[in-house]
Amino acid sequence: DAGVIQSPRHEVTEMGQEVTLRCKPISGHDYLFWYRQTMMRGLELLIYFNNNVPIDDSGMPEDRFSAKMPNASFSTLKIQPSEPRDSAVYFCASSLQNYNSPLHFGNGTRLTVT
Amino acid sequence: KQEVTQIPAALSVPEGENLVLNCSFTDSAIYNLQWFRQDPGKGLTSLLLIQSSQREQTSGRLNASLDKSSGRSTLYIAASQPGDSATYLCAVFDTGRRALTFGSGTRLQVQP
Repeated sequence: DAGVIQSPRHEVTEMGQEVTLRCKPISGHDYLFWYRQTMMRGLELLIYFNNNVPIDDSGMPEDRFSAKMPNASFSTLKIQPSEPRDSAVYFCASSLQNYNSPLHFGNGTRLTVT
Repeated sequence: KQEVTQIPAALSVPEGENLVLNCSFTDSAIYNLQWFRQDPGKGLTSLLLIQSSQREQTSGRLNASLDKSSGRSTLYIAASQPGDSATYLCAVFDTGRRALTFGSGTRLQVQP
């Protein structure tokens, strides 16, 4: 079991550029979550999917953010255009069930927007 | 809206000490409460999951308790070791949003 795999580990980009973060969940997990972590706000849920379908995107900060899950083994989080306030660590996590099984996190993508 | 608070924000103890980390939440309508560990530059690792009908869960030197009616949980670490140094986060899965809401964590340092 390779765990949840995120890429890239680090991303540095200039304001206004498009950023795409990638995630491969654990095989067989039906739920996928995107979280953002900052010193000021801690861990915030952005969006989660069940069987590739977005269930709750109320945490997505604004229309500049979008997430897709084209199949069970891949998800992307896109920011277009990026802004300095988007700088954070973005985590992807997956689980077998929504509330009865533990959440497995990837190592995160540290995004810096200059 | 569910809010999760962890006290203290940071803790430093000598090796071998038993310690307690505290977590409180505002909405008792939860499915479960989970404790995680985060090492610097890493993702979160699940430690314990307590269902809303349970009072406690144990794993090795870790014991987590849950008092749903008062909105409190504690994580007890016995005989602490330097390898326990990390940030510990508490999260509740509430029935409203059907997702985890995290506290801001307690940064633990165990001195050798």
